[in-house]
Amino acid sequence: AQTVTQSQPEMSVQEAETVTLSCTYDTSESDYYLFWYKQPPSRQMILVIRQEAYKQQNATENRFSVNFQKAAKSFSLKISDSQLGDAAMYFCAYRSGILSNSNSGYALNFGKGTSLLVTP
Amino acid sequence: DTGVSQDPRHKITKRGQNVTFRCDPISEHNRLYWYRQTLGQGPEFLTYFQNEAQLEKSRLLSDRFSAERPKGSFSTLEIQRTEQGDSAMYLCASSLGTGGSYYNSPLHFGNGTRLTVT
Repeated sequence: AQTVTQSQPEMSVQEAETVTLSCTYDTSESDYYLFWYKQPPSRQMILVIRQEAYKQQNATENRFSVNFQKAAKSFSLKISDSQLGDAAMYFCAYRSGILSNSNSGYALNFGKGTSLLVTP
Repeated sequence: DTGVSQDPRHKITKRGQNVTFRCDPISEHNRLYWYRQTLGQGPEFLTYFQNEAQLEKSRLLSDRFSAERPKGSFSTLEIQRTEQGDSAMYLCASSLGTGGSYYNSPLHFGNGTRLTVT
């Protein structure tokens, strides 16, 4: 099974500054999807950004961008111009791009999360 | 789009009791997922439905757990003979998949049902 590792349990950033959250994953597949989800306290999980492994260009969504290094199996999230509302748990997730009998093809595999604190 | 709704938000039960949770997905979404999240962990996949068919179950889903999605609309997750280890947040998510293809729109999550087993 694919594993997702987030090595930073907690991170802190000052408002308006930039922060990078790291994520690595382990897979033998060549076709897959990677995601960053945000879970504010007591609120629902929402998708921040998505990357298809076959795309070389890094995904961006406004202040959020990723650094996808396929060979290194690394998928970090950069948050620019951090805002107080960015404070949340951030989860990195992996999904196989190939449906087969040997994997949970429809499932997202999540890391343990990084708690991001934004200070004024 | 009213989002994914889950009921109840919180459930406290005594060990050995049965509990049932409900999930109402986004109306046009044909795919529905259940996840479990314990403190300090990311969500863990439990099971997946495409329309009314349960296509995938995790090994985490013991025989005390059963999920249904009659008529391909709402879904229920039942836990029989609850144990303290079942205490967790149970998350439901839905998405739109085009026909039999593997393509999946992003998952939309509900607020979850927090289960406490005493």
